[in-house]
Amino acid sequence: EADIYQTPRYLVIGTGKKITLECSQTMGHDKMYWYQQDPGMELHLIHYSYGVNSTEKGDLSSESTVSRIRTEHFPLTLESARPSHTSQYLCASSEDSWIYGYTFGSGTRLTVV
Amino acid sequence: EDQVTQSPEALRLQEGESSSLNCSYTVSGLRGLFWYRQDPGKGPEFLFTLYSAGEEKEKERLKATLTKKESFLHITAPKPEDSATYLCAVRPGGSYIPTFGRGTSLIVHP
Repeated sequence: EADIYQTPRYLVIGTGKKITLECSQTMGHDKMYWYQQDPGMELHLIHYSYGVNSTEKGDLSSESTVSRIRTEHFPLTLESARPSHTSQYLCASSEDSWIYGYTFGSGTRLTVV
Repeated sequence: EDQVTQSPEALRLQEGESSSLNCSYTVSGLRGLFWYRQDPGKGPEFLFTLYSAGEEKEKERLKATLTKKESFLHITAPKPEDSATYLCAVRPGGSYIPTFGRGTSLIVHP
C-alpha cells in the first residue's frame, strides 16, 4: 500500500542533542516537504525537495538541515535541539499533477527538555 | 502576499445539525484550493481539490464549494465521527508551495 512513514512518532530529548527525524514514502513522488505545526496555528514550511539532490529552505529552516539522496527518503536533522523546537513535525509528499494535494505522514511529536 | 483565513476557529454542533465552515483567501493566480481533515495526533488527510469558481465536490456528508474569494465546506447531518480539525490551503500560480489556514476545530456531540 502506498504511504508515507515518519519515525519516531514521539521523541523526548535533552537540550543540545542532535536528532534526525525520518520520513519515507512508497509512492515514488518527486516532491517532498517538512512542516512544523503548533496547536491552532498554520503549518509552517521548513524545507522542501523537488527531487534527488534537490533541497530548498522554507520559512523556518535556519536551525535544521535535510538531505535527499534517494527519492523515497527525506530526513530532517536538528543539529542542536532547543526547547523552542518542541512541536509537531509533519512530512508530506505530492505528485506532479497536484490533483490530490499533499499526502501527509502521521507526524513526529518532539519535546525538547 | 497569499493569505488564507478560516472561520470559525471552533464549532460545536449537535449530531444532525448541519452547518458550514468558511475559508476566505487571497492568492496570485489560484492553481487549486484544498480541504484536509486532521484528527488529533495525526497528519492531515486529503478531502477535496477545487480549481475554479462554481466548482463543487462531495464526499459522504461533506460538500465543498468555491467562489473567487472563498470556499465553504458544508457538513450535512454530521455525526460524532466527523469531529476533527478541517484545514484549507491554496496553491498559487507558479508554485508548488500552498498557503494553509489555521483550521476550524469541529466537535459533533451525540
